[in-house]
Amino acid sequence: QVQLVESGGGVVQPGGSLRLSCAASGFTFSSYGMHWVRQAPGKGLEWVTFIRYDGSNQYYADSVKGRFSISRDHSKNILYLQMNGLRAEDTAVYYCGKDRVALAGPSDLDYWGQGTLVTVSS
Amino acid sequence: QSALTQPASVSGSPGQSITISCTGTSSDVGSYNLVSWYQQHSGKAPKLIICEFTKRPSGVSNRFSGSKSGNAASLTISGLQAEDEADYYCCSYAGRSTLIFGGGTKLTVL
Repeated sequence: QVQLVESGGGVVQPGGSLRLSCAASGFTFSSYGMHWVRQAPGKGLEWVTFIRYDGSNQYYADSVKGRFSISRDHSKNILYLQMNGLRAEDTAVYYCGKDRVALAGPSDLDYWGQGTLVTVSS
Repeated sequence: QSALTQPASVSGSPGQSITISCTGTSSDVGSYNLVSWYQQHSGKAPKLIICEFTKRPSGVSNRFSGSKSGNAASLTISGLQAEDEADYYCCSYAGRSTLIFGGGTKLTVL
């Protein structure tokens, strides 16, 4: 069965950096695009970034462009989100998600992790 | 780009049907057949319940259905049950390999 397990969340000061990881299993990781989606406390979902199945291209929401970087390691089946220049408004639960369509995307997210909380505060 | 527009809340009694709207623009909902709906119970991760406007992933109850009209999409839940009480989000492909979510709708089963 598909499993996505995020880790790396925590408390960081404004301007600081954090790297999130998402360990994937139960599917052919190298065949699917992957997403990060976040949810601020008590707020709605916000799409953050997508990486193509082969890692060839990455796409970002305007709110994080130039500060966040998505990457993937096919030897370890791990998705990453490097977050730099963190701001208070980046405080949220961060979910990784698998794109539904193989060798394409983005389309939609058919599997989600349980999320990891990032708190940006001094 | 602004979030897709959803009503903040809807409610219904057990056994009734409810519909949640999702309004976008000709740059997202109106241009692509990639609108999806997600159900999120409190404290849980979202779950995909509708994809490509009308398709139900395997295992999703047929009480959930989706439709499209112009720049808008709708989610209908028939035969409302207590377990349907949750937040519901629409999402659309928005071009340039990006996605955009709606603001979310809280469904209360009375």
